[in-house]
Amino acid sequence: GIQVEQSPPDLILQEGANSTLRCNFSDSVNNLQWFHQNPWGQLINLFYIPSGTKQNGRLSATTVATERYSLLYISSSQTTDSGVYFCAVVDDMRFGAGTRLTVKP
Amino acid sequence: ETGVTQTPRHLVMGMTNKKSLKCEQHLGHNAMYWYKQSAKKPLELMFVYNFKEQTENNSVPSRFSPECPNSSHLFLHLHTLQPEDSALYLCASSQYQNNEQFFGPGTRLTVL
Repeated sequence: GIQVEQSPPDLILQEGANSTLRCNFSDSVNNLQWFHQNPWGQLINLFYIPSGTKQNGRLSATTVATERYSLLYISSSQTTDSGVYFCAVVDDMRFGAGTRLTVKP
Repeated sequence: ETGVTQTPRHLVMGMTNKKSLKCEQHLGHNAMYWYKQSAKKPLELMFVYNFKEQTENNSVPSRFSPECPNSSHLFLHLHTLQPEDSALYLCASSQYQNNEQFFGPGTRLTVL
């Protein structure tokens, strides 16, 4: 099956900083999602982005399917952005190990 | 609120107990999923149902028994579990299999 790798595994930021999270996948994909898991375990949909770029407020994502990666950008980070960010190859229902983001006030 | 609900939210059970987890989706979707999330491990797909038919069983032990009576409801029946089965169990749904998924809040299970 497809391998999904996320980097970095951990990220600590000061409030207001920007960050880029990366998701690499080992084969071509048709459907890719980004999620934010809050401290209570709820997985919140951020983007469904098989290719191209999408933006939602301070967050944006870009998937370059031919290069087999996707990026999640968080700008002007807030403490409420803390949590674990997962990318998932929906074709295979396979998740990466996540990036744990901590935003300090 | 994603339109996917799970009950109970927390469950503590002994190894000899029988319990069931329930998932309900109000999105009109046709596919439903069970995932397991153990501490410090990625989410692992357990089962997939598409139009009430099981289409994926990811080598899950038989002590986990899924049931999908209709496209809106999904159950996971538990019996004779082991302590290592303690985890967060997440349900998801999508319009069709392999489409954008929406997750419920999860059931945090502890097996004593």
